[in-house]
Amino acid sequence: SAVISQKPSRDICQRGTSLTIQCQVDSQVTMMFWYRQQPGQSLTLIATANQGSEATYESGFVIDKFPISRPNLTFSTLTVSNMSPEDSSIYLCSVQGGTGLDTIYFGEGSWLTVV
Amino acid sequence: SQELEQSPQSLIVQEGKNLTINCTSSKTLYGLYWYKQKYGEGLIFLMMLQKGGEEKSHEKITAKLDEKKQQSSLHITASQPSHAGIYLCGADRGSGGYQKVTFGTGTKLQVIP
Repeated sequence: SAVISQKPSRDICQRGTSLTIQCQVDSQVTMMFWYRQQPGQSLTLIATANQGSEATYESGFVIDKFPISRPNLTFSTLTVSNMSPEDSSIYLCSVQGGTGLDTIYFGEGSWLTVV
Repeated sequence: SQELEQSPQSLIVQEGKNLTINCTSSKTLYGLYWYKQKYGEGLIFLMMLQKGGEEKSHEKITAKLDEKKQQSSLHITASQPSHAGIYLCGADRGSGGYQKVTFGTGTKLQVIP
């Protein structure tokens, strides 16, 4: 199993500002993912963070809004840029330790409120 | 529309009662996964179903997959306050060597002592 530490766990942010969320894993993992869960909606994949290259974004998400870094195999950051109230969400970091969805582990989430 | 629809969206039950949560897919289901989420905590993997008619149990939680109906149900027997949380179903939509998970809309469960 993998232990994932996400920071911050909660934050209240001003409209127009940017916030960077950190995800630290206690072991080297190939795949790291970032998800968003807006109130009343399902958890949605934002992007796959690739080590040493640009992140792969899902439809509807762009790098300018959600820049991602993956400097090594144990760490990644997601920045939510120029925040609006619509960005109020839970942001979850996830890693895959092997094959199969039973090897996917999630962080505790970053609960962001934009005011 | 959502690929995975869960029902009900929220549920309040008295401790000791049984309950069922459903997850219906608009696409063919090859495998379905159930997770539990508590406030301030990460998603917890509960169980994985891969074959039609497969049924798995973990403590007082049982899940079944009906491929024909493209549906899975999660049943909790004799609910306890510790069962409270958000239950999410997920399906594997990925390719290229890693799993891309599509999640349902979630069911919020409250258990009243």
